[in-house]
Amino acid sequence: AQKITQTQPGMFVQEKEAVTLDCTYDTSDPSYGLFWYKQPSSGEMIFLIYQGSYDQQNATEGRYSLNFQKARKSANLVISASQLGDSAMYFCAMRENAGRRALTFGSGTRLQVQP
Amino acid sequence: ETGVTQSPTHLIKTRGQQVTLRCSSQSGHNTVSWYQQALGQGPQFIFQYYREEENGRGNFPPRFSGLQFPNYSSELNVNALELDDSALYLCASSSEGTGAGGKNIQYFGAGTRLSVL
Repeated sequence: AQKITQTQPGMFVQEKEAVTLDCTYDTSDPSYGLFWYKQPSSGEMIFLIYQGSYDQQNATEGRYSLNFQKARKSANLVISASQLGDSAMYFCAMRENAGRRALTFGSGTRLQVQP
Repeated sequence: ETGVTQSPTHLIKTRGQQVTLRCSSQSGHNTVSWYQQALGQGPQFIFQYYREEENGRGNFPPRFSGLQFPNYSSELNVNALELDDSALYLCASSSEGTGAGGKNIQYFGAGTRLSVL
């Protein structure tokens, strides 16, 4: 069964600094996708970045990058130049390409950016 | 292009009642997935609808049911509400079966917060 683990319940970072949010996963499917979402206090889940299991390069989207280490089954999110608006819950999720097309989420990390 | 919209935003019900939550998918999307997010937890998959058919279901009892309409909007119905059904219900839309493989991004609405008293 697929599983996502986020071991950091909360993180603090200074404005303009970089921060890494950890995510490890477990799956027996060789083909899968990894996703990061941001959830502000308003509740909406905002898609940030995607990494496919066969992608050779680490994904990047603006200030977001994904440090994908397949052998270690980790997919850490790196946010560069943190901004106050980055304060939110961050969820790592995975979807196996076989079977149902559902996302499995981790428990999330609450990031607080301090001025 | 309109995003995913959900209604109502908040709802208060009593135990044993029934509730219907609604979701309008993003323009061009043919698939809707529903998730339940209890306080302090990650979302849990309830079920998914693809072209008006249920296309997968999570570990939820049959009193959780759904529909998808020809315009790809969707409803989530919960019968015989229990206190533990209190949660944020999130709807996500995506475009499945278009050859994008695993990169079918699910885009979420702002959710419906359900309180069961």
